[in-house]
Amino acid sequence: QQKVQQSPESLTVSEGAMASLNCTFSDRSSDNFRWYRQHSGKGLEVLVSIFSDGEKEEGSFTAHLNRASLHVFLHIREPQPSDSALYLCAVSMGTGGYKVVFGSGTRLLVSP
Amino acid sequence: DPKIIQKPKYLVAVTGSEKILICEQYLGHNAMYWYRQSAKKPLEFMFSYSYQKLMDNQTASSRFQPQSSKKNHLDLQITALKPDDSATYFCASSQDPANTGQLYFGEGSKLTVL
Repeated sequence: QQKVQQSPESLTVSEGAMASLNCTFSDRSSDNFRWYRQHSGKGLEVLVSIFSDGEKEEGSFTAHLNRASLHVFLHIREPQPSDSALYLCAVSMGTGGYKVVFGSGTRLLVSP
Repeated sequence: DPKIIQKPKYLVAVTGSEKILICEQYLGHNAMYWYRQSAKKPLEFMFSYSYQKLMDNQTASSRFQPQSSKKNHLDLQITALKPDDSATYFCASSQDPANTGQLYFGEGSKLTVL
């Protein structure tokens, strides 16, 4: 059964400093990875999707996937206080049927 | 304007009672889902529906029953409520469950069971 773990649980960075979040997964046949952001009391918004090894950039968000090492990273360039939120890693397989497994999240605080 | 509407946003219930969580999506999607998020566990998949038919059920308890009266509706009925059911329940949708499309989420219904 797929397991998705995120680290760190919480992270504080200064405004403008790079923030790096880590997600590890257990099933190497996974081929669908997304990072979501959840502001307090709100739903989830997708930040970036990645389906193959390498990097994918969406605005200030860059996902880096390395399936051999079972890692997918999220780098946030020049984060602002408004980026303070819970960041969730979501992993799934496109093998028919649809089941997304989420990590427990990294709570990011961007200080002014 | 929110494309996935969940009602109510907050609700309080007593142990043993029954509640229905409402979800409507206006994205024209064919698949809808329920997820649960509690303080103790990460976001958990509960159900998936495609074209108003149940595709996957990962909820052990029969106290949770999804109901789809229309293609863009997927309500969640919870009976015999327990304090452990306290969580935020998120409705989501995607264009097609057979592919690996992006999930779109509502803002959640936060349930507190006393």
